[in-house]
Amino acid sequence: QSALTQPPSASGSPGQSVTISCTGTNSNFGFYNYVSWYQQHPGKAPKLIIYEVNKRPSGVPYRFSGSKSGNTASLTVSGLQAEDEADYYCGSYTGNEWGVFGGGTKLTVL
Amino acid sequence: ELQVEESGGGLLQPGGSLKLSCAVSGTTVSQNHMSWARQAAGKGLEWVAALYPDGRTFYADSVRGRFTIFRDNSNNALHLQMNSLRAEDTALYYCVRLIGGYTGDHWGRGTPVTVSS
Repeated sequence: QSALTQPPSASGSPGQSVTISCTGTNSNFGFYNYVSWYQQHPGKAPKLIIYEVNKRPSGVPYRFSGSKSGNTASLTVSGLQAEDEADYYCGSYTGNEWGVFGGGTKLTVL
Repeated sequence: ELQVEESGGGLLQPGGSLKLSCAVSGTTVSQNHMSWARQAAGKGLEWVAALYPDGRTFYADSVRGRFTIFRDNSNNALHLQMNSLRAEDTALYYCVRLIGGYTGDHWGRGTPVTVSS
């Protein structure tokens, strides 16, 4: 069982916005700002799209944004595009020189 | 441009051993926090092992005592020695460069490991 809880699925129509949540059970989740999000297309390696809660690596579209409130982090994808259909994983630092992932959310673009 | 490329995966029986390799280019392995993560088919991601620049190593509870992460500075490579393999170790293994707080910013394409009798 993952220490980070994500909904198994999410969906939206092209152009809409969708938000995926990531809830931490470790008390340190709310303390550290090391929350990251990864996009994984079928058969491909994960790709970092958000780090330190709300920072985007170079080349990641502005449509992807992150936030955190208390023990829940969120990834919002605005202006959904067909290419956004993928699995999304959150990750965080546990505070014990270790990291943990959420179980993943399958995003479907209707 | 930083790139990582895994190799060494294969099919083996329970109890067997295997060494995975990760060729790193565009940066120096010894100066980076490096790790291995894995993903079983149709499942989520899991950190397996990490190696810090100061030499400290960290392992998932499920592999501690069986897996060893180490680096080869002369070849700028990262390795994962896996012993006493179990069926539950079957997965695609990724080499990952870490930045702050267990954030993986560069991932390889992975190398598959299958443990089956």
